[in-house]
Amino acid sequence: TQLLEQSPQFLSIQEGENLTVYCNSSSVFSSLQWYRQEPGEGPVLLVTVVTGGEVKKLKRLTFQFGDARKDSSLHITAAQPGDTGLYLCAAGSNDYKLSFGAGTTVTVRA
Amino acid sequence: GAGVSQSPSNKVTEKGKDVELRCDPISGHTALYWYRQSLGQGLEFLIYFQGNSAPDKSGLPSDRFSAERTGGSVSTLTIQRTQQEDSAVYLCASSLATGRRNYGYTFGSGTRLTVV
Repeated sequence: TQLLEQSPQFLSIQEGENLTVYCNSSSVFSSLQWYRQEPGEGPVLLVTVVTGGEVKKLKRLTFQFGDARKDSSLHITAAQPGDTGLYLCAAGSNDYKLSFGAGTTVTVRA
Repeated sequence: GAGVSQSPSNKVTEKGKDVELRCDPISGHTALYWYRQSLGQGLEFLIYFQGNSAPDKSGLPSDRFSAERTGGSVSTLTIQRTQQEDSAVYLCASSLATGRRNYGYTFGSGTRLTVV
């Protein structure tokens, strides 16, 4: 079982500020995904990264996969209250079973 | 359907009773997963179905838990003789056929199970 550690566990910032959350492991992954989950809902896929060193941008969100494919970061620029939620990273070393981190709870205050 | 549908959305049951949770995946998604999410914890893998292959049951926490998938579509997760530690949100997800690339999961909204 791969252990994915996310940090920080909680993050509270003011609207307009930037934030970064991290996902780390000692294992190498074939792919890594980021999800956002809002209260009462299931997680929603934001991005999948598969290549070491890969950087993907989704509007104000920037995702990076580490060169060694063991870690990833999610950076949000000029955060907005709509970015509030639980951010989960998930990774797999085989074809189908994903392991999830415990998540980072992000609160963006207006 | 347009998304993954789970029912019921909430279930309160007495300790020792059996419960059934239902998942209706996205049409055409051959892979179906059940995960459990407890407060402050990550998602815990329970079971995986892929087409007509034997399911991967390696995550089921005890023999009180079982799941089936009929006709390659709807799945039912059954918990027998429920215990208080079974209280959690049970999430179902589906995805396109697996291969070397993971297409990502589409999750339902979950069933919040409370055992009193």
